[in-house]
Amino acid sequence: DVKVTQSSRYLVKRTGEKVFLECVQDMDHENMFWYRQDPGLGLRLIYFSYDVKMKEKGDIPEGYSVSREKKERFSLILESASTNQTSMYLCASRGTVNTGELFFGEGSRLTVL
Amino acid sequence: AQSVAQPEDQVNVAEGNPLTVKCTYSVSGNPYLFWYVQYPNRGLQFLLKYITGDNLVKGSYGFEAEFNKSQTSFHLKKPSALVSDSALYFCAVRDPGYSTLTFGKGTMLLVSP
Repeated sequence: DVKVTQSSRYLVKRTGEKVFLECVQDMDHENMFWYRQDPGLGLRLIYFSYDVKMKEKGDIPEGYSVSREKKERFSLILESASTNQTSMYLCASRGTVNTGELFFGEGSRLTVL
Repeated sequence: AQSVAQPEDQVNVAEGNPLTVKCTYSVSGNPYLFWYVQYPNRGLQFLLKYITGDNLVKGSYGFEAEFNKSQTSFHLKKPSALVSDSALYFCAVRDPGYSTLTFGKGTMLLVSP
């Protein structure tokens, strides 16, 4: 089975802190994605990556950056956390098959105080 | 552009009764359609997808969905609901010309004993 692992399930940070959310997948998938989930808004795409060192902006990239130095790892970075970034963050991966489904991690719930 | 709508925030069903969770979509080409389920404090799990072929798609846990091109719908169904089906359900669509999925806002399914 595909496993997507998000290293931190729950985080509490202070405004202005730099935050790293890590995601690792074990199926050699080329495509990786970061979403945030908020009640009533569903899932919104922040960034995605087709390959190592490649990244594309999603629908809401402001205030975020990403890093993909290795194929299996896709990191989401909040350079200076703000309270409006309090949310559930979901990482997902997908193989090269164009019609393939996404495989999600368990999520990282971030609270910014 | 691609979009998806889940018109009901919540669906209530008694155990043993059939359930339907509605989804409509808008794409310019032939859609790829997906259903995911999310249990509390967990990531999303893939249920089923429609890419091409038979309009009735069967998926995990006894769920099925019917693709209706004329009504641009992809409703999720189950003949007999279980209390354990209570969860948040997301419909997602991808136009083949796009790289990423667009998710609906989600529908909470509550199955009462």
